[in-house]
Amino acid sequence: GDSVTQMEGPVTLSEEAFLTINCTYTATGYPSLFWYVQYPGEGLQLLLKATKADDKGSNKGFEATYRKETTSFHLEKGSVQVSDSAVYFCALSVKGDSNYQLIWGAGTKLIIKP
Amino acid sequence: DGGITQSPKYLFRKEGQNVTLSCEQNLNHDAMYWYRQDPGQGLRLIYYSQIVNDFQKGDIAEGYSVSREKKESFPLTVTSAQKNPTAFYLCASKRTGTTETQYFGPGTRLLVL
Repeated sequence: GDSVTQMEGPVTLSEEAFLTINCTYTATGYPSLFWYVQYPGEGLQLLLKATKADDKGSNKGFEATYRKETTSFHLEKGSVQVSDSAVYFCALSVKGDSNYQLIWGAGTKLIIKP
Repeated sequence: DGGITQSPKYLFRKEGQNVTLSCEQNLNHDAMYWYRQDPGQGLRLIYYSQIVNDFQKGDIAEGYSVSREKKESFPLTVTSAQKNPTAFYLCASKRTGTTETQYFGPGTRLLVL
């Protein structure tokens, strides 16, 4: 079935380091792909998305490119800040019987040290 | 401002008690969702609704019930049959029939006394 696999956390980096969080997926058809972020004690917020192959989603300095050939949607940021500390979820959207559902990865906790 | 509200922020349940979590949205979205999040884990779908007076079970519906009497509201009841209810509960909504973004509320943390 459809699934999303993320790299395990926590990922600990120093401020201004380069970030990559890996996400790969298994899906039939052509899903849309999402990255959501969850700050401590809060709900999830959409960070970025891509709806077709080779699309690049970007927001707040984060980027991810929809790679169909490698079934990947890795999240990157060139220079992280302490405020980026959060849990990041990769997800794909698949069409069920009558609506689209999100399939979620397990989340990757990111810790940025000053 | 448009958005999703959940209340209460924290909820305590005694043994054998049913409790209801509130979710309200003013985004005019047809579809609404309830997820459960356990520490260090991803989201698991409890129930979802695509239209008023209709809802479907998700992956972990046992021990939970919902209603959808109004478009804006999708309350979740955690019944006494749910033996391990301690978790963070998230409500979301989106427009139906598309891959558009799900918007999330701030969550309710349920604890058992």
